[in-house]
Amino acid sequence: GDSVTQMEGPVTLSEEAFLTINCTYTATGYPSLFWYVQYPGEGLQLLLKATKADDKGSNKGFEATYRKETTSFHLEKGSVQVSDSAVYFCAQKATGSARQLTFGSGTQLTVLP
Amino acid sequence: DAGITQSPRYKITETGRQVTLMCHQTWSHSYMFWYRQDLGHGLRLIYYSAAADITDKGEVPDGYVVSRSKTENFPLTLESATRSQTSVYFCASGEQGRTDTQYFGPGTRLTVL
Repeated sequence: GDSVTQMEGPVTLSEEAFLTINCTYTATGYPSLFWYVQYPGEGLQLLLKATKADDKGSNKGFEATYRKETTSFHLEKGSVQVSDSAVYFCAQKATGSARQLTFGSGTQLTVLP
Repeated sequence: DAGITQSPRYKITETGRQVTLMCHQTWSHSYMFWYRQDLGHGLRLIYYSAAADITDKGEVPDGYVVSRSKTENFPLTLESATRSQTSVYFCASGEQGRTDTQYFGPGTRLTVL
């Protein structure tokens, strides 16, 4: 079945460091891909998305490129800030599926000043 | 207040008791979802609803009941709570045809003793 695998956490970085959180997926067909972020004590919110191969989603300095050949959607940011500390979830939604996002297990990011 | 709200935010109950978690959204979104969040599992879909009086099972529906008599409300009931249902529960909503973007409530932390 469809699944999403993301790198184990927690990840701890110093402010201004480069961030990569790996995400790979398995799916039949070509799903849409997402990164959601959960700040402490809050619900998830959409960070960025890509709906087809080679699309790049971007928001708040974060980027991720839909790589069909490697079935990946890695999240990157060139210079993290303390305020980026959160849990990041990779997710997919199957083509034509109205109902369900399939989430990865989440990666806790802590950025130290 | 506009948005999506959940109540209670925290709940402690005992094995065998019935518990209802409430979810209310003010956007008139067609779709509503219930997820549970457990360490190592990310978010898993329990039930979802495409409209009032239309509900369907997700990945982990056993032990849960939902109803949706009004568009804005989507309560989740644990008919006889078990310790394995200790979790954080998130409600989400989404627009018809745009359910890749889901809007999450702040969550309910449920502990079953």
